[in-house]
Amino acid sequence: EDQVTQSPEALRLQEGESSSLNCSYTVSGLRGLFWYRQDPGKGPEFLFTLYSAGEEKEKERLKATLTKKESFLHITAPKPEDSATYLCAVQAFTGGGNKLTFGTGTQLKVEL
Amino acid sequence: DGGITQSPKYLFRKEGQNVTLSCEQNLNHDAMYWYRQDPGQGLRLIYYSQIVNDFQKGDIAEGYSVSREKKESFPLTVTSAQKNPTAFYLCASDIQGGQPQHFGDGTRLSIL
Repeated sequence: EDQVTQSPEALRLQEGESSSLNCSYTVSGLRGLFWYRQDPGKGPEFLFTLYSAGEEKEKERLKATLTKKESFLHITAPKPEDSATYLCAVQAFTGGGNKLTFGTGTQLKVEL
Repeated sequence: DGGITQSPKYLFRKEGQNVTLSCEQNLNHDAMYWYRQDPGQGLRLIYYSQIVNDFQKGDIAEGYSVSREKKESFPLTVTSAQKNPTAFYLCASDIQGGQPQHFGDGTRLSIL
């Protein structure tokens, strides 16, 4: 069974204080690992897809990396508008259509 | 702009009543999905459809039903058999496996 564990559950940062969110996964043949941002009362907003170990993607203050067991979302010099819940999900090659298995998310709060 | 539209935003169900949640997409995606989100849990797959007139059960299909008569539409019915329907329901679509799923802004269902 595919599993995704995200840590920490919650993170409070000062503006400009860089940090990383962790996503550990077990999957029978990784088709893709996806990062999403979710604001309260909204649907998840797609950020990145990573397909193979060693791959990195960047967008503004966010950088996602992937190894064979985990992914990190690095946030550099965060701003209050980066406050949100960040979700990680994996998709396997086998079974279940294109099902995504999600972690429970990291709730990020960036304060002035 | 292309996207996924879910309606209504809020829905209340009386005991013994069936309710239907709407999901429409204009992204020309073949596959559509319904997820349920509960506090402290990852998104869980209810049903998915990879093509018109075909759909498959996900991990928690009991008490739910769907139809896929048009490519653009994938309504979800929460039946009276679903004993714990209070949750945030999210509809998603994608063009093919390995590509990101795009989400609507959800419907919050509560019990009267």
